[in-house]
Amino acid sequence: EPEVTQTPSHQVTQMGQEVILRCVPISNHLYFYWYRQILGQKVEFLVSFYNNEISEKSEIFDDQFSVERPDGSNFTLKIRSTKLEDSAMYFCASSDYKVETQYFGPGTRLLVL
Amino acid sequence: QKEVEQNSGPLSVPEGAIASLNCTYSDRGSQSFFWYRQYSGKSPELIMFIYSNGDKEDGRFTAQLNKASQYVSLLIRDSQPSDSATYLCAVSQGNNRLAFGKGNQVVVIP
Repeated sequence: EPEVTQTPSHQVTQMGQEVILRCVPISNHLYFYWYRQILGQKVEFLVSFYNNEISEKSEIFDDQFSVERPDGSNFTLKIRSTKLEDSAMYFCASSDYKVETQYFGPGTRLLVL
Repeated sequence: QKEVEQNSGPLSVPEGAIASLNCTYSDRGSQSFFWYRQYSGKSPELIMFIYSNGDKEDGRFTAQLNKASQYVSLLIRDSQPSDSATYLCAVSQGNNRLAFGKGNQVVVIP
């Protein structure tokens, strides 16, 4: 069964460093998403991406964040200068139509020291 | 702020019993509603989606939607220990995002 994959599974970085989180969405899906979940809190929407551009972004997704689809399979989230409060689980998701049945990857646990 | 509320605390149910979970939402424009299951330290796993008022059954799971009352629920029949997890209600907002509730923890006692 097709699934969303994410790398790395864990990332530890120093405050102020740049990190890139990688995702491979399900192959025939057209809509891609990033969500995050701070420990003990709810899953929060960051950004959606369709047709090589951002469709929608939340207030969390400020200038420190960017997304890219560098080739036909990967979808990346870059955090330019990490802060302590960026420590969270980051989930990539994909769907074959807007909003409908979004399937989540296993997540990347980011720890900023 | 458009909210998705799951207010009840941890739910303990005996094995074989029915677990009932509730969710309310504030955005009247929401059209699609989802239940995800999340095991500790893992990612959300889609269980059910529902778009129309009424009931939708899938195996041991039944989702119920009442758009007039802005209410969606999930019933788990014949609860099994493997059902022990946190259940997340998610609601579509706008065209491209899901808003999640905080989740309800379910513990099935053998």
